Amino acid sequence: QSVLTQPPSVSGSPGQRVTISCTGSNSNIGAGYDVHWYKQVPGRAPKLLIAGNTFRPSGVPDRFSGSKSDTSASLAIAGLQAEDEAEYYCQSYDGNLRGSIFGGGTKVTVL
Amino acid sequence: EVQLLESGGDFVQTGESLRLSCTASGFTFTSHVLSWVRQLPGKGLEWVSAINADGRNTYYADSVKGRFTISRDNSKNAVYLLMNSLRVEDTAVYFCAYMPLYYYGSGSYNYWGQGALVTVSS
Repeated sequence: QSVLTQPPSVSGSPGQRVTISCTGSNSNIGAGYDVHWYKQVPGRAPKLLIAGNTFRPSGVPDRFSGSKSDTSASLAIAGLQAEDEAEYYCQSYDGNLRGSIFGGGTKVTVL
Repeated sequence: EVQLLESGGDFVQTGESLRLSCTASGFTFTSHVLSWVRQLPGKGLEWVSAINADGRNTYYADSVKGRFTISRDNSKNAVYLLMNSLRVEDTAVYFCAYMPLYYYGSGSYNYWGQGALVTVSS
């Protein structure tokens, strides 16, 4: 059972916009800790997609955007492409657990 | 180019010990937090441990506290994870990951190694 809750799966057609939610609590996201997002394709290491709630590292397409509000955060993928098929994880920090926490992951399928 | 390379993954029996190593290059190793994050087979990511840039403070998930020890050798650009009293539920791919902070906190994991597979059998 992950501390951060994500939907198990989302899907969309090429060109569509999809969003992935990440719900936490007052000891993590609600406490003001940043949320980060990662993309992982099978058999590979996770890759940082969004840092500090909204920042896109160099090389990440601007189709990807992040937001945060209260005890939750969201990752949006605009103009969905076939190469966006992957597992996506959110990550934050929990003040009670005193450690990094991850969401359970969301599998994005391009129809 | 930032590179993190794990080694030491193996097949062991329950109760045995194993040490993972991670060597790094391409960034100022002595200024940043290093962490271990694991992924159980077919499952999500789980943070395991972290160590501050100067090695003076270490942090552990409750699931491994008292059994795992993280350490680093800044002269070798290396971080280690000594895993004792291994359990079947420790079976996972263990990733070494770099956080661009001096002190462990709510930062992101900007780069990851390719992972080392640890299999614990009863």
